[in-house]
Amino acid sequence: SQTIHQWPATLVQPVGSPLSLECTVEGTSNPNLYWYRQAAGRGLQLLFYSVGIGQISSEVPQNLSASRPQDRQFILSSKKLLLSDSGFYLCAWRGGAAEAFFGQGTRLTVV
Amino acid sequence: RKEVEQDPGPFNVPEGATVAFNCTYSNSASQSFFWYRQDCRKEPKLLMSVYSSGNEDGRFTAQLNRASQYISLLIRDSKLSDSATYLCVVNRGGGYQKVTFGTGTKLQVIP
Repeated sequence: SQTIHQWPATLVQPVGSPLSLECTVEGTSNPNLYWYRQAAGRGLQLLFYSVGIGQISSEVPQNLSASRPQDRQFILSSKKLLLSDSGFYLCAWRGGAAEAFFGQGTRLTVV
Repeated sequence: RKEVEQDPGPFNVPEGATVAFNCTYSNSASQSFFWYRQDCRKEPKLLMSVYSSGNEDGRFTAQLNRASQYISLLIRDSKLSDSATYLCVVNRGGGYQKVTFGTGTKLQVIP
C-alpha cells in the first residue's frame, strides 16, 4: 500500500533562517506531488505541484521554492523565513486515481 | 470568483440531527469531486468521492449537480464524532493536475 511521510511534525524557526521540509512517498511510482499551506483557521492554499522529477509548478508568488530531486521526494524550501510563513504545511500525492492523500503535516512557527 | 466556495460555518447541530453542506465550483469543465474531513490540527482525510449519480456511505450522502455547479454532503443522525471541518475538492481532470480545495465548513455536533 502507499504511504506518505512528511517531517518534521513541528518546527520553530527564527525570522531570516532557512527552511527545508521533506516529503517522501512509498508504494507508488510517478505520483503527482503537492505542497499546501494552511494558515490558522483558514483553508488549504496550493503552493506548488509537480508531475515529475524536476517539474515544478508554482501557484502563488512567495518566499518559498520547491524541488523534486527524485520521483517520490518533494522538498519545500526557503532561504529566509518571514513571520507570514508560519502555518501548517501539508504534502499530498495523487496517483492514477483522482483523489489526493496527505502526509501528517508540519506545523511551522516563525518567531 | 473563487474556484471552489464553501460556507465556513460553523454549523452547530444537536446529536441525531441531519445536516447538509453545499460547495459551489466555478469551472464547468471540472471532472471529479470529493469530500474530505479534517480534524483540528490534523491532515485532511478522504471521506468520499462524489459521483454523477450520487452516492451513499452509511450516514453520508454525496450528490453532484452539474447544471448548477455544486456538490453537497448530507449527514444523517449526526454523532459527536462527526464534529470536524469538511472540505470539498474539485479536480479539472483531463491532464490538468491542479487539485483545488474549498476553505471548509466547520461542523460542531452538540450533545
